[in-house]
Amino acid sequence: GAVVSQHPSRVICKSGTSVKIECRSLDFQATTMFWYRQFPKQSLMLMATSNEGSKATYEQGVEKDKFLINHASLTLSTLTVTSAHPEDSSFYICSAGGQEGYNEQFFGPGTRLTVL
Amino acid sequence: DAKTTQPPSMDCAEGRAANLPCNHSTISGNEYVYWYRQIHSQGPQYIIHGLKNNETNEMASLIITEDRKSSTLILPHATLRDTAVYYCIVRVGSGTASKLTFGTGTRLQVTL
Repeated sequence: GAVVSQHPSRVICKSGTSVKIECRSLDFQATTMFWYRQFPKQSLMLMATSNEGSKATYEQGVEKDKFLINHASLTLSTLTVTSAHPEDSSFYICSAGGQEGYNEQFFGPGTRLTVL
Repeated sequence: DAKTTQPPSMDCAEGRAANLPCNHSTISGNEYVYWYRQIHSQGPQYIIHGLKNNETNEMASLIITEDRKSSTLILPHATLRDTAVYYCIVRVGSGTASKLTFGTGTRLQVTL
C-alpha cells in the first residue's frame, strides 16, 4: 500500500503561537488530501478536503481562518493552526486519496498537538 | 452517506474468529461499505470494502446481507495485534477522492 507521512509526530506549543503540520504522500501523487481531528476517546472528525492547486473545502463549523490548509503539490499538504489555544489540543490526522488504481484512502500516523 | 450502527465494544479470544457487525439499513444502491481500523494513537488502516458481493482479502472477510442493510467483518484468527477500534463506513462510490465519515466504531479487545 501507499505511504503517507506526517511531521511532526508530536508538538507542544504556547498559547497564541501558530503551528504547521505537514502531510506527505511518499510514493504516489495524491490529488486529494483530507484533514481530520480526533479528541481523546472520540471518533475522527473531518475538518477539510483539499485538492492540489485549489482552495480547501471546510466542513461546517470549522474555521477556515484558524485552520489554514495549503495543498501546493501532489505530494504535500500543510495544516497551520493559527493562534493556537488549549482547546485546539488534539490528534490531527491526514489522509491522501485520488490514487489511480487504489480503492482506499491512506492515512498518516497523526500529529499530537498540545497547546499550553 | 448512510448512517451506520455498530456495537460500542466486543471481546474475542486470541485465535478465534472475530465477527464485527454493522447495521446500515438506509444504504443506497450506489453506496459502498468500507471497513477501517485504528490502533491506539495511530492513523486508521484500510481493511476491506464491498458493494454487494462478499469479499475476502489477506486481512479479513466482508459478508454483506442480500438486502445490503447490514454487514459483518470477519477476522478469521484474531491476534492481540488486532485489538483496535473498527469503523464501518458507508459512502457513495469506490474512488478515493470522496470523503469518509467516521462513526463511533467498535472497540475490539482480543485477549489471551
